[in-house]
Amino acid sequence: DADVTQTPRNRITKTGKRIMLECSQTKGHDRMYWYRQDPGLGLQLIYYSFDVKDINKGEISDGYSVSRQAQAKFSLSLESAIPNQTALYFCATSDFRGGANVLTFGAGSRLTVL
Amino acid sequence: EDQVTQSPEALRLQEGESSSLNCSYTVSGLRGLFWYRQDPGKGPEFLFTLYSAGEEKEKERLKATLTKKESFLHITAPKPEDSATYLCAVQGGAQKLVFGQGTRLTINP
Repeated sequence: DADVTQTPRNRITKTGKRIMLECSQTKGHDRMYWYRQDPGLGLQLIYYSFDVKDINKGEISDGYSVSRQAQAKFSLSLESAIPNQTALYFCATSDFRGGANVLTFGAGSRLTVL
Repeated sequence: EDQVTQSPEALRLQEGESSSLNCSYTVSGLRGLFWYRQDPGKGPEFLFTLYSAGEEKEKERLKATLTKKESFLHITAPKPEDSATYLCAVQGGAQKLVFGQGTRLTINP
């Protein structure tokens, strides 16, 4: 089994629908992240959580919300999806080696909003 | 604001033709510079962390180096299986990683 599991892997939805992307990890890491990847723009940070009681906004949090249900689970929600949220979404976890966050990524969730 | 710029955007090489990828960065209080490899349809996979200028790390045909302003990923005698997108990221005092846009590397047999 993968260390970081994302579901669903692919989702097509319509404008205005509520969508939840789920992430679970078996690494035992406290830190979890949601990133968005668009062609030519690299990875942009949406939200991050350093422990179960800690939630922080990233660079592009507008239109998104998150829930940290347990150490191992971190969900990303789009309350009312819009077409420009069509992208590849990655969940990641990290441990803190020598003061640096080494990320382990999931396989990604491809979201298409029509 | 922390920033990362990678060049070139795309690079096509013949098998065995060595080259380098560049990652220029600005960061407040560098805690680490990271290189990741990403294959199509997959999540990025960790390659290296560099912590301070002058540091070098190697893995198979890859060697990463770091100065105060940039990092290079040197690829020696590449093979077709080295084809991927290579991502560079920096972490400053805010503990968040900032990624570059990546270099798409293609190795032709």
